[in-house]
Amino acid sequence: KQEVTQIPAALSVPEGENLVLNCSFTDSAIYNLQWFRQDPGKGLTSLLLIQSSQREQTSGRLNASLDKSSGRSTLYIAASQPGDSATYLCAVRPVEYGNKLVFGAGTILRVKS
Amino acid sequence: GAGVSQSPSNKVTEKGKDVELRCDPISGHTALYWYRQSLGQGLEFLIYFQGNSAPDKSGLPSDRFSAERTGGSVSTLTIQRTQQEDSAVYLCASSLVTGTGGQTQYFGPGTRLLVL
Repeated sequence: KQEVTQIPAALSVPEGENLVLNCSFTDSAIYNLQWFRQDPGKGLTSLLLIQSSQREQTSGRLNASLDKSSGRSTLYIAASQPGDSATYLCAVRPVEYGNKLVFGAGTILRVKS
Repeated sequence: GAGVSQSPSNKVTEKGKDVELRCDPISGHTALYWYRQSLGQGLEFLIYFQGNSAPDKSGLPSDRFSAERTGGSVSTLTIQRTQQEDSAVYLCASSLVTGTGGQTQYFGPGTRLLVL
C-alpha cells in the first residue's frame, strides 16, 4: 500500500528565506508526483507536476525535484513571501491504483513579514 | 474559462438525513474525481469517472455513499443516512483524459459538510 509522508508538519520562517519541503513515498512505482497548495477554507491549487521519467520541474520561485528510486521529492521555495503561507500537499499517482492520487498530510507553512 | 465548481459550499444536516453534493468539472475534462478531506484522515480518494467507462468506486467508505455523472459532465455525490463521521470537506477534481503519464488534476473549492 502506497503511503506518502511529508516533513516537517509545520514550518515558520522569516520573509526572504529559502526553504525546502520534503515528501517521501513508499512505493516507487508511480506515474507522477504533484505538489499542491491549499489556502485555509479553499480547495487545492496545483503547483507542479513531475512525470515519473522527469527529475525536476520549475515554476517561478518554485522548484520540485523527484528521485523515484529513493521515493523522495522536495519542493524548494526561493525568497519566501508572506503570500506563500499555506498548506503544501504532495501527492503521487501510483501505478497500482492508476485512477487516484495518494496524498501526504501536508506541511503548514507560515512566512512572517 | 471557469474552473471546477462545487455546490453547496457549506452544508449542515442532521444525522440520518440524505445529502447531495454537486460538482461541475472544467469543460472538456473527461476525468472526474471525488475526494474527502477530514481531520485525522487527510485527503482520501472516493470515486473516479472516465468517459463512458464504469466508475472506479474503490474508495467509497460504505454503501451509504454513491455518485453518478450525467452526460459525461456534472457529477453528484450522494450520502444516505448521514453519520457524524461523514463530516468533512468533499473535494471534486477534473482532468483531461488520463494516460500512463497522467494529467494535472484541477480541484474545486469543496463542500464543507457538517453532520449534527
